[in-house]
Amino acid sequence: GAVVSQHPSRVICKSGTSVKIECRSLDFQATTMFWYRQFPKQSLMLMATSNEGSKATYEQGVEKDKFLINHASLTLSTLTVTSAHPEDSSFYICSAPQGQGVNTQYFGPGTRLTVL
Amino acid sequence: SQQGEEDPQALSIQEGENATMNCSYKTSINNLQWYRQNSGRGLVHLILIRSNEREKHSGRLRVTLDTSKKSSSLLITASRAADTASYFCFTNAGKSTFGDGTTLTVKP
Repeated sequence: GAVVSQHPSRVICKSGTSVKIECRSLDFQATTMFWYRQFPKQSLMLMATSNEGSKATYEQGVEKDKFLINHASLTLSTLTVTSAHPEDSSFYICSAPQGQGVNTQYFGPGTRLTVL
Repeated sequence: SQQGEEDPQALSIQEGENATMNCSYKTSINNLQWYRQNSGRGLVHLILIRSNEREKHSGRLRVTLDTSKKSSSLLITASRAADTASYFCFTNAGKSTFGDGTTLTVKP
């Protein structure tokens, strides 16, 4: 099946720094990718929809200036957490849909962000 | 409340027993998917059922879909300790949404 990768898998940073997370579709092109955030013992919450060649669409309550999304190519979307704070510590997962009609989502392995 | 709600939120059973988890959703869907997530790990795609399907099997998994009730169920038969994980339903109608998840514990 299709593969989506994320990098890094784990990152620890100091408060106030920015962190970039990459999401790549390895063997298919994705004009749309999705970014999710998961806090401990909670479900995944959709943060934003990344659109190749246009602005991302953010869900209600997600600050677009804090979570910068760039869909630079048909295989790469990046999420930058700017001026990270401890409350941004979370598990971030991306996904990309593939296929017509059925539209199966393929999920990346996730990135564990810890802000000290 | 969030589209895609599972019940029960937590389920504890003995190895060999069957586990049933339910998911409800609010809007029309094209398909519904079930995923498993081991603690602190990524998602594993289990099964996809399309809106025109009523039941689907994959190994020890059986998924049903009732579009009139906007609900789905996941049955795991003859459970094993390795099935211990969180299970989420996922719908993809306009907005990609996960349910709250069911945490399944299978005791050896």
